[in-house]
Amino acid sequence: NAGVTQTPKFQVLKTGQSMTLQCAQDMNHEYMSWYRQDPGMGLRLIHYSVGAGITDQGEVPNGYNVSRSTTEDFPLRLLSAAPSQTSVYFCASSRGQGAGELFFGEGSRLTVL
Amino acid sequence: RKEVEQDPGPFNVPEGATVAFNCTYSNSASQSFFWYRQDCRKEPKLLMSVYSSGNEDGRFTAQLNRASQYISLLIRDSKLSDSATYLCVVNRYNDYKLSFGAGTTVTVRA
Repeated sequence: NAGVTQTPKFQVLKTGQSMTLQCAQDMNHEYMSWYRQDPGMGLRLIHYSVGAGITDQGEVPNGYNVSRSTTEDFPLRLLSAAPSQTSVYFCASSRGQGAGELFFGEGSRLTVL
Repeated sequence: RKEVEQDPGPFNVPEGATVAFNCTYSNSASQSFFWYRQDCRKEPKLLMSVYSSGNEDGRFTAQLNRASQYISLLIRDSKLSDSATYLCVVNRYNDYKLSFGAGTTVTVRA
């Protein structure tokens, strides 16, 4: 039972570099989202998608891009990494509107030097 | 003001004790409420939904107080395995944008 799979689990970047965090789910969930978690703060929504071809901004979208070409995949792109983007990133999915239970990936720990 | 606020703790309790903590939310339009559990360096997982009438799941009891805009979680007969951070999660009606609290850390000691 794979659920939500995120890669990579760890990544170190230099300021200005770009990278993509991958997220895939095998539960046929319509809703997928990306969160970042920083010490002392709740998870903050970066971007979300309610279905293939549909994405929208969350609370902290600046510096990140997403796309949703398939139901299964929802990659998060860092365009030009900054130290402020050092964080733990979680991808999550759920069946649909109203959220219900969110299923999270194991997280990706990103450090930007 | 944060949309969801929690006492960060830590709540340090002996095995077998009862521990309870609250979470306040600022948006009176909030409709759905959840408690998630997050172990150290792991992903959050749903512990339980919180219903208007209150609900129990084994040793865990969740309550909702709409008038005062808070939800609570009570853990009875604490086990070492209950040591975790408990996240309060709130969303508005039919809104995908969940609001997460920063979490309350509970440590159960032998």
